[in-house]
Amino acid sequence: QSALTQPASVSGSPGQSITISCAGTGYDVGAYNYVSWYQQHPGKAPKLIIYDVNNRPSGVSNRFSGSKSGNTASLTVSGLQAEDEATYYCSSYTTSSTQKFGGGTKLTVL
Amino acid sequence: QVQLQESGPGLVKPSETLSLTCTVSGGSINSHYWSWIRQPAGKGLEWIGRIYTSGSTNYNPSLKSRVTMSVDTSKNQFSLKLSSVTAADTAVYYCARSLDGWLFDYWGQGTLVTVSS
Repeated sequence: QSALTQPASVSGSPGQSITISCAGTGYDVGAYNYVSWYQQHPGKAPKLIIYDVNNRPSGVSNRFSGSKSGNTASLTVSGLQAEDEATYYCSSYTTSSTQKFGGGTKLTVL
Repeated sequence: QVQLQESGPGLVKPSETLSLTCTVSGGSINSHYWSWIRQPAGKGLEWIGRIYTSGSTNYNPSLKSRVTMSVDTSKNQFSLKLSSVTAADTAVYYCARSLDGWLFDYWGQGTLVTVSS
């Protein structure tokens, strides 16, 4: 199964906002509101930051927000901080009862 | 706080079977989905498959012919077997809880498995 499509990299200055897109199809992203986002720092396990398109787990900063339009989901990080520098992955449940990840987007805080 | 810990050989020979176990602590393994996810060095995440505590499974179609997952609720453990491995299977392997079946809320620290003779 092919991966969801994310930009390889994005960057922004402290305090700015950035948005990462995650493009899928009507069989995954567009089929359900079961899109989640993960933050991964080097050498660490991924961490859930957004689930069901736009929900934040307890303890995750409200600077992280998610949305979806059609077959494309998006993650917005506002008020960029140095600690946000990491790789971000989207994930979606599919109509085949499987799971897909995006290729990952490396966020650089300038 | 739920914790997951992967265990198993760090080195597997080509054509042999990779076997890993994930031990769940701080909570019951029952009534949840549990997944295996891998990440080759410098690359992205790949979902391998999931198992429910009833034993029901779903696998990544690209790996389905080589993957077997099992669960032992008495030990709070679930396992992965990947057969006929090649160098392309070298990766960090993570186990994770699939809450509601589709989001990964708890992860193990990951274990590196290298396929080499």
